[in-house]
Amino acid sequence: SQELEQSPQSLIVQEGKNLTINCTSSKTLYGLYWYKQKYGEGLIFLMMLQKGGEEKSHEKITAKLDEKKQQSSLHITASQPSHAGIYLCGADEGYGGSQGNLIFGKGTKLSVKP
Amino acid sequence: KAGVTQTPRYLIKTRGQQVTLSCSPISGHRSVSWYQQTPGQGLQFLFEYFSETQRNKGNFPGRFSGRQFSNSRSEMNVSTLELGDSALYLCASSLLAGGPPGELFFGEGSRLTVL
Repeated sequence: SQELEQSPQSLIVQEGKNLTINCTSSKTLYGLYWYKQKYGEGLIFLMMLQKGGEEKSHEKITAKLDEKKQQSSLHITASQPSHAGIYLCGADEGYGGSQGNLIFGKGTKLSVKP
Repeated sequence: KAGVTQTPRYLIKTRGQQVTLSCSPISGHRSVSWYQQTPGQGLQFLFEYFSETQRNKGNFPGRFSGRQFSNSRSEMNVSTLELGDSALYLCASSLLAGGPPGELFFGEGSRLTVL
């Protein structure tokens, strides 16, 4: 079965600094999803990537899917305390016909120091 | 528009008991999925329901079951609780009826503690 490995596991950055979180898949990705979670709460959808080489941005967050579709990166520019939380990447295993079955990485815990 | 609502938010049970968790999806969403989140295993897929039918199931023992009602509300049940069942149980709904997964809308979860 597919596995997603995220790095780093945790990250502490000074406010205003840039940072990158990586997500590597053991298999080709059919779809890659980035979510953010505040501790003990539900997940908030950030972005979805499906095509090799695709890049999407929302406010100060940019996500890319590499050409081989086995790795994605999430980049935050000029981090703010509001960016703090746990970032999770999720993957569609490509079986089709299922909207809710995603495999998730274990998450990257981001802390932003004011 | 109301989000995904999960009840109860917190509960404490003892080993051997059973528990039922409830999830009300966003109005109009017919797909409901359940996930278990623990510090050790992370977020793991339990099952997905669509139009009252289980469409997909994760690798969990038969003690974990679920159902979906005609109004798309869903419940999951865990019988004969074990200490390892202590977790945050998250419900997610989706607007899509077919094709690849799109955006999942998550509830805030039900935190179960088994003593």
